[in-house]
Amino acid sequence: EPEVTQTPSHQVTQMGQEVILRCVPISNHLYFYWYRQILGQKVEFLVSFYNNEISEKSEIFDDQFSVERPDGSNFTLKIRSTKLEDSAMYFCASRGDVESGPNNEQFFGPGTRLTVL
Amino acid sequence: SQKIEQNSEALNIQEGKTATLTCNYTNYSPAYLQWYRQDPGRGPVFLLLIRENEKEKRKERLKVTFDTTLKQSLFHITASQPADSATYLCAFRLSGGYNKLIFGAGTRLAVHP
Repeated sequence: EPEVTQTPSHQVTQMGQEVILRCVPISNHLYFYWYRQILGQKVEFLVSFYNNEISEKSEIFDDQFSVERPDGSNFTLKIRSTKLEDSAMYFCASRGDVESGPNNEQFFGPGTRLTVL
Repeated sequence: SQKIEQNSEALNIQEGKTATLTCNYTNYSPAYLQWYRQDPGRGPVFLLLIRENEKEKRKERLKVTFDTTLKQSLFHITASQPADSATYLCAFRLSGGYNKLIFGAGTRLAVHP
């Protein structure tokens, strides 16, 4: 069964450093998302990406964040200068188009745990 | 303000019983309501989706109801098993847009042998 993959599974970084979180969405999917979950809190939407551009972003997704789809398979989230409060699980998700099935649900990856020291 | 509320307390039930989890919302008009399962340290796994014009959806031992008048969804697991122990998240998709999901905080279910 196709799945979303993410690397690395755990990233430890110093405050102020740049990090890049990587995702490989399901191959025929068209819509891509990043969410985050701070420990003990709810899953929060960060950004959606369609047709090689950001389609929607939340208040959390400020100028320190960027996303890119550098080739036909990878989807990345970059945090330019990490802060302590960026420590969280980051989930990538992808979704097909309306013809991909009656549910058309978002499939989530296993997540990257980011720890900022 | 817009809210999605799930029981914050853990639900403890005996194996074989039916687990019922609640998701209430205010000031939303969701087009779709979805239930996900999340295990510790893992990503959400899709379980069921129900549309605003549907009352009930079933899949094997799972059942979801959606009452837009009460602004509530109920999620049932029949003949529960210890392997069903996890956190269950409800999430909304609004109509239009690029279908971001808005999640509730989740309810932890523990099924005891």
